[in-house]
Amino acid sequence: DAGVIQSPRHEVTEMGQEVTLRCKPISGHNSLFWYRQTMMRGLELLIYFNNNVPIDDSGMPEDRFSAKMPNASFSTLKIQPSEPRDSAVYFCASSLGTGPSLYGYTFGSGTRLTVV
Amino acid sequence: DQQVKQNSPSLSVQEGRISILNCDYTNSMFDYFLWYKKYPAEGPTFLISISSIKDKNEDGRFTVFLNKSAKHLSLHIVPSQPGDSAVYFCAASSENTDKLIFGTGTRLQVFP
Repeated sequence: DAGVIQSPRHEVTEMGQEVTLRCKPISGHNSLFWYRQTMMRGLELLIYFNNNVPIDDSGMPEDRFSAKMPNASFSTLKIQPSEPRDSAVYFCASSLGTGPSLYGYTFGSGTRLTVV
Repeated sequence: DQQVKQNSPSLSVQEGRISILNCDYTNSMFDYFLWYKKYPAEGPTFLISISSIKDKNEDGRFTVFLNKSAKHLSLHIVPSQPGDSAVYFCAASSENTDKLIFGTGTRLQVFP
């Protein structure tokens, strides 16, 4: 298995532009998570899906952020319009989705977003 | 409100000595505690975990200790090796949810 695949690895965009981050979870995993890593807050959970349905989006910072999971093998995180304070590394992770586990999630390699 | 806290942003240890990374939590409903390791330009990878019914779990050079009354856990690495240099995140979850709450991370540097 290729693991959790994220694209692009790096994204540089101008303030005000729309940004779309993509994620392909591990086949057979039923839960998908979007996290953002910053120095101040560490790894923050933005939203998670179970069986393609959003379960908890309480971590989404504001209406500029949206996430979709149209099928079991693909998810997007969109920021529109982007702002410099959105600059961070965004991680996608997936798990079997059978409840809390002592083995946690598998993370992708992340997308480093820079908004100038 | 940070439910999982790692108060030491960095730690420097000599090769061969013990590294102790600490983590505190506020939510008494947490049942599972995990440690992740992260190298630059990579995603976090699972390292070791413990459930609330235990107070110690060991895997090779890595041992996690849980003190429920103090709401504190720690990761011990003995002996420390240069390849252990990374950022370590602790995380917690409760029985009724899939989601993991992470701390801010501690950067460990192991020098020769």
